[in-house]
Amino acid sequence: GAGVSQSPSNKVTEKGKDVELRCDPISGHTALYWYRQSLGQGLEFLIYFQGNSAPDKSGLPSDRFSAERTGGSVSTLTIQRTQQEDSAVYLCASSLAGTGFYGYTFGSGTRLTVV
Amino acid sequence: KQEVTQIPAALSVPEGENLVLNCSFTDSAIYNLQWFRQDPGKGLTSLLLIQSSQREQTSGRLNASLDKSSGRSTLYIAASQPGDSATYLCAVRKDYGGSQGNLIFGKGTKLSVKP
Repeated sequence: GAGVSQSPSNKVTEKGKDVELRCDPISGHTALYWYRQSLGQGLEFLIYFQGNSAPDKSGLPSDRFSAERTGGSVSTLTIQRTQQEDSAVYLCASSLAGTGFYGYTFGSGTRLTVV
Repeated sequence: KQEVTQIPAALSVPEGENLVLNCSFTDSAIYNLQWFRQDPGKGLTSLLLIQSSQREQTSGRLNASLDKSSGRSTLYIAASQPGDSATYLCAVRKDYGGSQGNLIFGKGTKLSVKP
């Protein structure tokens, strides 16, 4: 597609439930990133995928968070047993390559509210 | 650890003014720096990308400069318009010698341009 697509745009879930957030990057972009933006906070890096390499999971805040990327394209971020502090906007970005030369293109985000 | 600071946190100006947003970073070993715009409830829109070897980039009424040695970047907006009202984010990508690197974000400057 023309841009990075994220779904759903909004998600309200009950505390303790699992949620899945989807990201469809720009076609041909090999690098994919997940960030989290909490109210009043800056963007927090979560996880990074580059081609077929093992993902960089160094930003995941707990083992309740996981992500996968199938076929080097679509990515799913899963949060198990959601907590209220997980409420945030989850942003996905893709880049033509992971070498650093290219800029990031962000999706519109998924606003997650845990009640 | 790389830290990115943006000053001021908020700025209100009358329409037509020229203005400067500031960004500073603690580690000068960066690969590039990217300025983004974020509208309320939206994702990030890339404005300008400056590679570490470059001094400035221009797009329309926007001009971004980079002084890597002093750890500073500025975003200059000429003849501001109410439509420029948004939060402006600065992000740096660490230089890992050509390998992957994540964007480190500042907390942004919230700009309000009053008609």
